[in-house]
Amino acid sequence: GQQLNQSPQSMFIQEGEDVSMNCTSSSIFNTWLWYKQDPGEGPVLLIALYKAGELTSNGRLTAQFGITRKDSFLNISASIPSDVGIYFCAGQLSGGSNYKLTFGKGTLLTVNP
Amino acid sequence: DTGVSQDPRHKITKRGQNVTFRCDPISEHNRLYWYRQTLGQGPEFLTYFQNEAQLEKSRLLSDRFSAERPKGSFSTLEIQRTEQGDSAMYLCASSLVVGGYTFGSGTRLTVV
Repeated sequence: GQQLNQSPQSMFIQEGEDVSMNCTSSSIFNTWLWYKQDPGEGPVLLIALYKAGELTSNGRLTAQFGITRKDSFLNISASIPSDVGIYFCAGQLSGGSNYKLTFGKGTLLTVNP
Repeated sequence: DTGVSQDPRHKITKRGQNVTFRCDPISEHNRLYWYRQTLGQGPEFLTYFQNEAQLEKSRLLSDRFSAERPKGSFSTLEIQRTEQGDSAMYLCASSLVVGGYTFGSGTRLTVV
């Protein structure tokens, strides 16, 4: 099936630092989504991207939909302890199966205060 | 809007027993999805309902799994004759149209 390569697998940073993570695919996606998951909870949508080249911000978070439609990145600026969690990218196809999300394996973020 | 609600949050069952999980989506959402997530992995698609119609089932769903959404509102996911490999987080999500879903908090299943 579809595979999304998400990197890095984990990051350990100091509070206040900026963070960048990315996701690549061998397939073209119509939509890219970024989710955050806390332990024992479901994923929470952070940012949705619908057009190639789109750059969208949500507070300290910025995400971009790659021009090739095969990649996306997420930046977090000035990290704080509550940014700790697992960040997932997800791609959504166009056409008949456009309701399905394909997820990456996640990036585990640890922020040292 | 109380979000997507799942019950129970945790379930421990003996191998071979049947279990049933419930999902209550956001009330105006006509699309409902079930995903499964194992440790260290992202969620994987299991099945999709539009209103009461189940429109797709993943190959991950063996014959022991069945999902229903009888009135186009809440949904149930039943696993018969559970196996240890069924241990996972089962996530329900809902949406109005194509785009970002809203996930529930999940049901953590442990088969012993």
